[in-house]
Amino acid sequence: GEDVEQSLFLSVREGDSSVINCTYTDSSSTYLYWYKQEPGAGLQLLTYIFSNMDMKQDQRLTVLLNKKDKHLSLRIADTQTGDSAIYFCADNPPGYALNFGKGTSLLVTP
Amino acid sequence: GAVVSQHPSWVICKSGTSVKIECRSLDFQATTMFWYRQFPKQSLMLMATSNEGSKATYEQGVEKDKFLINHASLTLSTLTVTSAHPEDSSFYICSAGGREDTGELFFGEGSRLTVL
Repeated sequence: GEDVEQSLFLSVREGDSSVINCTYTDSSSTYLYWYKQEPGAGLQLLTYIFSNMDMKQDQRLTVLLNKKDKHLSLRIADTQTGDSAIYFCADNPPGYALNFGKGTSLLVTP
Repeated sequence: GAVVSQHPSWVICKSGTSVKIECRSLDFQATTMFWYRQFPKQSLMLMATSNEGSKATYEQGVEKDKFLINHASLTLSTLTVTSAHPEDSSFYICSAGGREDTGELFFGEGSRLTVL
């Protein structure tokens, strides 16, 4: 698949908001995903957004999608230390497996 | 609960030996499973698409003789790392099935391979 780009590292204080950005290349993806990976663990689907939506809110998570710029962002409100993990965005070209970004390491400090 | 199970979760082996990793779909049949590899602090790279009853489709740069994939039943795919070397040490994750409404794929818990 083509490249999905993310910033590699983000550090925030507990209670602040975190924003993780992603740019993708496949405009035919029907869904775009955010996965979370805690140390030594597998992937956990955090949230997803349908490609014809601009925004999706799910409790502390807000996903924004700009299809024109192929830009996806994940905002975590009131970030907690338990949110420290690696976050992957992924697009899903039709008929193909998920195409992951390199992941953004989020570090939440007390 | 988990719908895709991997086994073993962690294996340590000597260089030159072969290691088999299993990926099972629980409570559903999967004609297609995907195998990913993740190096430390890096993204997941698709290695191959495992097709039930036929040969796997390998991504460019993945040695098919090195990473043998067998998808003998609708609930089981195996990845065998043959003649493993330290550079094969990695985290291997499989995925199978998914939700038709969201397209979400289900991932296994991952298998960490350490080759000494």
